[in-house]
Amino acid sequence: AQSVTQLGSHVSVSEGALVLLRCNYSSSVPPYLFWYVQYPNQGLQLLLKYTSAATLVKGINGFEAEFKKSETSFHLTKPSAHMSDAAEYFCAVSAFTGGGNKLTFGTGTQLKVEL
Amino acid sequence: AAGVIQSPRHLIKEKRETATLKCYPIPRHDTVYWYQQGPGQDPQFLISFYEKMQSDKGSIPDRFSAQQFSDYHSELNMSSLELGDSALYFCASSLSSGGSSTDTQYFGPGTRLTVL
Repeated sequence: AQSVTQLGSHVSVSEGALVLLRCNYSSSVPPYLFWYVQYPNQGLQLLLKYTSAATLVKGINGFEAEFKKSETSFHLTKPSAHMSDAAEYFCAVSAFTGGGNKLTFGTGTQLKVEL
Repeated sequence: AAGVIQSPRHLIKEKRETATLKCYPIPRHDTVYWYQQGPGQDPQFLISFYEKMQSDKGSIPDRFSAQQFSDYHSELNMSSLELGDSALYFCASSLSSGGSSTDTQYFGPGTRLTVL
């Protein structure tokens, strides 16, 4: 079975500082990994996804993530935080079960950006 | 671009009542997923449909049922509602590329169900 673990349920950074949100995965097969962002009272928006084409994946809003098999990690980064980045971020792994393609989410990381 | 539409956006029900949530996928998408997100929790997979057939089932209570119709919209029916069913219910859709795990799921805004 596939799973993801997000370290740190709350992360606080200053505006302009580096954002680093951690995600580690567990998978018996090559994983497909996703990062979604959820703003208050809204749905989940895809930031980026890893599908084995390239280990460094660039997403929307200046975010990127690097797949590291040796560390079983898929951490999300952004060089310079903006106030508008404050939201909850979910790492997810896709598990094709022969019939479906369900996503298994981590517990989420709430990002706070301070002036 | 068209997105996933869910209705209603908010729903308030009493215990033991029934509720029906609707999902309209992105045009040409053939797969629909339902997720439940409790307060302060991560989304949990409930059920999915591909080409109007159930394709996968997660932690969906027996009191819940769902289907996908000929126009690809989906409905989640919930009966004998309990307080613990209060949650945000998301629908997501994707265009299947042979069932690949890389299929991107696009989420709707969710239906917030409150059971009193």
